[in-house]
Amino acid sequence: AQSVAQPEDQVNVAEGNPLTVKCTYSVSGNPYLFWYVQYPNRGLQFLLKYITGDNLVKGSYGFEAEFNKSQTSFHLKKPSALVSDSALYFCAVRDDGGANNLFFGTGTRLTVIP
Amino acid sequence: KAGVTQTPRYLIKTRGQQVTLSCSPISGHRSVSWYQQTPGQGLQFLFEYFSETQRNKGNFPGRFSGRQFSNSRSEMNVSTLELGDSALYLCASRRAGVQETQYFGPGTRLLVL
Repeated sequence: AQSVAQPEDQVNVAEGNPLTVKCTYSVSGNPYLFWYVQYPNRGLQFLLKYITGDNLVKGSYGFEAEFNKSQTSFHLKKPSALVSDSALYFCAVRDDGGANNLFFGTGTRLTVIP
Repeated sequence: KAGVTQTPRYLIKTRGQQVTLSCSPISGHRSVSWYQQTPGQGLQFLFEYFSETQRNKGNFPGRFSGRQFSNSRSEMNVSTLELGDSALYLCASRRAGVQETQYFGPGTRLLVL
């Protein structure tokens, strides 16, 4: 069975500093990994995904994520945080039993301090 | 291209009533999935429809049901509402193909009193 863990409920970072939101996963077989962001009273917006290929994945709004198979991690990163990046971030993994549904982490609230 | 749309955006019902939520996928997307988001349980998968057939179902009681129409639009129904059904219900659509991304709508916020 697959699972995703986001060990930090809250991450605070100063504007202009690099940010990291952590995610670890557990799957049998090859992982399909995703990051989504949720702004207040909004649905989930897709940021990026890892299916195969390069371990560094680039996504929307300057975000990137590093896939590390040995550490079973898929951390989200951005070199320079913006106040507008403040939101709830979800890591997700696709069902490893062949279905297409996603299993989500509990979410990390990112606050960028001006 | 228009995104996933969901109607209504907000809904208030009382216990015992039933509710129907609607989702229109992105044009060309034939798969529609539904998720429930609550503060306590987080994001949980309800079911997926593809070409009018339910492909996969999460661990929810039979009070939760859905369907998909020939134009790929989907509806979700919850009967005999309980207080615990209060949640944000999110719909997501994707193209066919195992590597395709799910794109989410803005959600319907349901409050059960």
